[in-house]
Amino acid sequence: DVKVTQSSRYLVKRTGEKVFLECVQDMDHENMFWYRQDPGLGLRLIYFSYDVKMKEKGDIPEGYSVSREKKERFSLILESASTNQTSMYLCASSLPGRMNTEAFFGQGTRLTVV
Amino acid sequence: GEDVEQSLFLSVREGDSSVINCTYTDSSSTYLYWYKQEPGAGLQLLTYIFSNMDMKQDQRLTVLLNKKDKHLSLRIADTQTGDSAIYFCAETSKPGNTGKLIFGQGTTLQVKP
Repeated sequence: DVKVTQSSRYLVKRTGEKVFLECVQDMDHENMFWYRQDPGLGLRLIYFSYDVKMKEKGDIPEGYSVSREKKERFSLILESASTNQTSMYLCASSLPGRMNTEAFFGQGTRLTVV
Repeated sequence: GEDVEQSLFLSVREGDSSVINCTYTDSSSTYLYWYKQEPGAGLQLLTYIFSNMDMKQDQRLTVLLNKKDKHLSLRIADTQTGDSAIYFCAETSKPGNTGKLIFGQGTTLQVKP
């Protein structure tokens, strides 16, 4: 059974804290993604990684950074959390490029910044 | 850049057909997808269509693609209460790219008994 696991379902952090969201996949996928989901806005891509140590900015990278030191793990970092980063964060993984790139999603992390 | 648009809400009665619509801007889209998100869960792939196809049928699901108008639709026949969820349209663009997925806003389907 394929799996994408996010380290926390719920997180509450204070404004200004550095926050790490972790995602691990067991499918040996090259691609990994971080999205945030907000009502009425759908899924917006924050960052995308297509290989170890490779990353590409998505539509809303400001205030976020990522790390991919190992193929199976993709971390999202909020350098200094702010209340407008309160959201649901979804991690996904997929195979690359030309083929049908079905993405497999984690359960999501609901982050509240107070 | 790429853009995918959906209406936000659809309400139908149990047993009726549901049609969820999506428009996209990138004419080089290779695959177009429909994902389903049930309450409290991540997204799961429902079905997909390759850009050189017009239609795909999979049991109660029918996907129609109009490449000229860049319009994609998902029809659910005999809609059940268990079909209540958020449905996302998504696309990957440009052949040979790494597989970056762009999603629409999601359509919340409400099925009334």
